[in-house]
Amino acid sequence: EVQLVESGGGLVKPGGSLRVSCAASGFTFSSYSMNWVRQAPGKGLEWVSSISSSSTYIHYADSVKGRFTISRDNAKNSLYLQMNSLRAEDTAVYYCAANGYGSGWLNLWGQGTLVTVSS
Amino acid sequence: EIVMTQSPATLSVSPGERATLSCRASQSVSSNLAWYQQKPGQAPRLLIYGTSTRATGIPARFSGSGSGTEFTLTISSLQSEDFAVYYCQQYSNWPLYTFGQGTKLEIK
Repeated sequence: EVQLVESGGGLVKPGGSLRVSCAASGFTFSSYSMNWVRQAPGKGLEWVSSISSSSTYIHYADSVKGRFTISRDNAKNSLYLQMNSLRAEDTAVYYCAANGYGSGWLNLWGQGTLVTVSS
Repeated sequence: EIVMTQSPATLSVSPGERATLSCRASQSVSSNLAWYQQKPGQAPRLLIYGTSTRATGIPARFSGSGSGTEFTLTISSLQSEDFAVYYCQQYSNWPLYTFGQGTKLEIK
């Protein structure tokens, strides 16, 4: 089955760090660009970061630049998001999402993992 | 940054009727526009890409149109499972994707 499964969410204090992961299965993970997209409670979707298939190209939203780091391990079919200096406004469900091959739309999404930043 | 604006914020339609959702870009995105459906507690699901191409498994009652800055998602005959939140996304400014704020489609 083609799927993405996120893990690693939880409660963290402001200023703290957390790493969320995304495990891919059922498709050739190493061929696809990947993304993190987040959704604050009751709000819309916000793109966070993208990484190309071989990690050559990496981009971040201004809201997380300098604090978050995206990475991937194609041998392990896994995507990661290291989040440092967390703020209350980073509280959200974090989704990993795969691009359609060579495209900009997101055609496969995980179920999301909730990150709560609170004291 | 390309700002995507969706209207209306909430749309009330009866089952079996047609729903028309709008999305406007702050600058031209050509045909680089996708639509997603999200139901409560679920991840978004790709419906339409390239403005008008249905994703795999998406019923023909969903159609997309437009170009440049004005786009429309039409659901020709609403089924109960279609009531959800719909988001547009531009990928013209790859990979600095931006989404609209969403339109909630509710049962009238």
